[in-house]
Amino acid sequence: DAGVIQSPRHEVTEMGQEVTLRCKPISGHDYLFWYRQTMMRGLELLIYFNNNVPIDDSGMPEDRFSAKMPNASFSTLKIQPSEPRDSAVYFCASSSRVGRGYTFGSGTRLTVV
Amino acid sequence: SQKIEQNSEALNIQEGKTATLTCNYTNYSPAYLQWYRQDPGRGPVFLLLIRENEKEKRKERLKVTFDTTLKQSLFHITASQPADSATYLCALGGLYSSASKIIFGSGTRLSIRP
Repeated sequence: DAGVIQSPRHEVTEMGQEVTLRCKPISGHDYLFWYRQTMMRGLELLIYFNNNVPIDDSGMPEDRFSAKMPNASFSTLKIQPSEPRDSAVYFCASSSRVGRGYTFGSGTRLTVV
Repeated sequence: SQKIEQNSEALNIQEGKTATLTCNYTNYSPAYLQWYRQDPGRGPVFLLLIRENEKEKRKERLKVTFDTTLKQSLFHITASQPADSATYLCALGGLYSSASKIIFGSGTRLSIRP
């Protein structure tokens, strides 16, 4: 298994532009999570899905952020419009069931200038 | 307020010694606790899970304890090696009504010197 695959690895964009981050979870994992990591705030849970359905989006900072999971093998996190304070590393993780360890992707480093 | 606190300072340990990392939490009632390792530029890697009804878990040179009365977990690496140098994160799970959601501490940077 190739693990959790995220793209792109790095993204540099100008303020006001739309950004789309992509994630392919491990096949057979029913849970998918989006996290954001910064030095100041550490790892923050943004949203998670179970069987492609969003379960908890209470961590999504504001309406500029949206996430979708159209099928079991693909999810996107979109920021529109992007702002410099969105600069962070965004991780996607998946898990097979409750209480199991998460498998994280390598992350997308987003820089908004 | 709810908090998860790990060693605030980086930990520097001589090779061969036991490294002990702490994770304290307040105003949470986790059903389980996990430990992860994170290397620079990479995502966290799952190491161990311990449930609220378990006192101790071991895996090779790793040992985790979980005291729900003290609201504390200790993570030990015995016979430490320079390759163990990384940031270690604790995460609380089984919170509220969301059994699968986990919340991470800020991590402890561990350095093992030869």
